[in-house]
Amino acid sequence: SQQGEEDPQALSIQEGENATMNCSYKTSINNLQWYRQNSGRGLVHLILIRSNEREKHSGRLRVTLDTSKKSSSLLITASRAADTASYFCATGAWNRDDKIIFGKGTRLHILP
Amino acid sequence: DGGITQSPKYLFRKEGQNVTLSCEQNLNHDAMYWYRQDPGQGLRLIYYSQIVNDFQKGDIAEGYSVSREKKESFPLTVTSAQKNPTAFYLCASSTPGRGSWGYTFGSGTRLTVV
Repeated sequence: SQQGEEDPQALSIQEGENATMNCSYKTSINNLQWYRQNSGRGLVHLILIRSNEREKHSGRLRVTLDTSKKSSSLLITASRAADTASYFCATGAWNRDDKIIFGKGTRLHILP
Repeated sequence: DGGITQSPKYLFRKEGQNVTLSCEQNLNHDAMYWYRQDPGQGLRLIYYSQIVNDFQKGDIAEGYSVSREKKESFPLTVTSAQKNPTAFYLCASSTPGRGSWGYTFGSGTRLTVV
């Protein structure tokens, strides 16, 4: 399957530090998306990067995409306690209608 | 405000019982999706629908059924044939062709077998 695989599975950092999460996938995509999920809640769409883009920013978020390596990274700068959540990458492809496939996520814990 | 509403938030099912999870959206999205999430796991697609009166099986459709009689509504029935239904169920919607702009999710229903 084209499931994204996040790395690391879990990450703990001090508040104020930067957090970096990675996502790898297996086949061609037309976009890659990152979502956040707070404990026991639904997912919130953070950012989408298309296959012809290499980098995208949104506030404290920076996403990169390397299609040659089939990988993406999500950087959260100046982390805050409220950033504690699970982060999922999801990939979309033209041959899958609008279905996107999710990875298992990275659990991020921001220490006070 | 536009969004997706899932109800109930918590649901308990007895062995052999069918239960229905509600999902309603007022975003005017054409496509709707049901996912299942197990502890520490990602999301697995159960069913999806791109237009009214049409739906397709996802990766784990066995033991589940859906209907799409209205654009706004996409209820999921967990049948007695689903042997391990305890999980967190998430509904999402998007606009086809623009689904690549991202999905909007509901807040989820936690189903427990008692």
